[in-house]
Formats: sequence, structure tokens, C-alpha cells
Amino acid sequence: AQKVTQAQTEISVVEKEDVTLDCVYETRDTTYYLFWYKQPPSGELVFLIRRNSFDEQNEISGRYSWNFQKSTSSFNFTITASQVVDSAVYFCALSEADAGNMLTFGGGTRLMVKP
Amino acid sequence: KAGVTQTPRYLIKTRGQQVTLSCSPISGHRSVSWYQQTPGQGLQFLFEYFSETQRNKGNFPGRFSGRQFSNSRSEMNVSTLELGDSALYLCASSLGMGAVAFFGQGTRLTVV
Repeated sequence: AQKVTQAQTEISVVEKEDVTLDCVYETRDTTYYLFWYKQPPSGELVFLIRRNSFDEQNEISGRYSWNFQKSTSSFNFTITASQVVDSAVYFCALSEADAGNMLTFGGGTRLMVKP
Repeated sequence: KAGVTQTPRYLIKTRGQQVTLSCSPISGHRSVSWYQQTPGQGLQFLFEYFSETQRNKGNFPGRFSGRQFSNSRSEMNVSTLELGDSALYLCASSLGMGAVAFFGQGTRLTVV
């Protein structure tokens, strides 16, 4: 069965610090998809990135970057020069190819960026 | 392009009652999934509908049910409400398998 673990339940940083959110996953499928979502206090889950299991290229988007390593079953997310607006709960999620669109979420990491 | 719309945003119900939540997906999206979010259990998958057929179901009791209409709009129903059903219910729509799921703002259900 699939599983996603986000070991860090809460992280607190000061503005402009870099921060990395860890995500470790388990799956028996060879084809799967990994996602990161951001949940601000309003409650809506905001999509950040999608990766498929055959694409291990790291990605950078502005201050955000993602490191996907199949060898360690990890998909970590780094925010560079954090800002107060980055404060939210971040979720890592996994979808297996033979499970339709079912997303298995990690427990989430609450990031607090202080001015 | 309009996003995923969930109605109502907030609901207060009494134990034993039933409730129906509605979700309108992004135009063109045929897959609609529902999730329950609670502080204790986190985000849990309820079910997914694709072209009016339930394609996958999570580990929830039969009191939780859903359906999808020909225009891809979906409803979920919870009967005989329990206090533990208090949660944020999120709906997501996507184009298909493995595609990005876009979420609505959720319906916050409080059972008293």
C-alpha cells in the first residue's frame, strides 16, 4: 500500500532563511506521481508541482525548488529566502497509476515564517 | 476559467441528520474526488467519480456516499451524522489519471 511521510510537523524560520520540507514515500508501483500542495488558512489546497516517477530532474520555480530522488524515495521541497507569505501548511502527496486519481497525503508540515 | 466550486462553505448539523455537499468541477474535467480533512486523521480520500461512475473508494463507512451527474458535477451525502464527521470536506477535479487535481475551498461541516 502507498504511504507518504512528512516527518516535520512544524517548522519555524525567520524571514529570508532557506527552509527544506522533507517528504518520503512508499509505493510498489513503478508508475506513480508526486505532488506538493500548499494550504493557506483559507483552507483551499493550492497546487505547486507534479512529478512522474520517470522524471527525476530537479525543478526550480522562482524561490521554490524540488529534489526528487527515487533511490531514497524522497521528494523534498526547498523555499529559498522565505517570506511571511510562505506561512502555510504544505502537503506532499502520491498517486499511483493503477489507483485512479486517488491521492495519498502526508501529514503535512506547518511552516511559520516570522518577520 | 472558473475553479472548483463547493457549496455550501459552512454547515452546522445535528447528530443523526443527513447532509448533502455539492461540487462543481473545472469545465472539461471529468474526474471528481472527495477528501475529508480532520486534525486527527489528516487528509483522507473518500471516493472518486469519473464519467458518472465511482472509480475508487476510500475506507469510510457506508454512511458516506456520492454521485456524479452527466455534467460532471458531484454531490456527496453523509447520513446519520456523528460528531466525528465534523471536518473540512474538500473536492478536487482533474482531467484524468495522474493529472493535477485542483481543489475547491471546501465545506466546513460541524456536527453538534
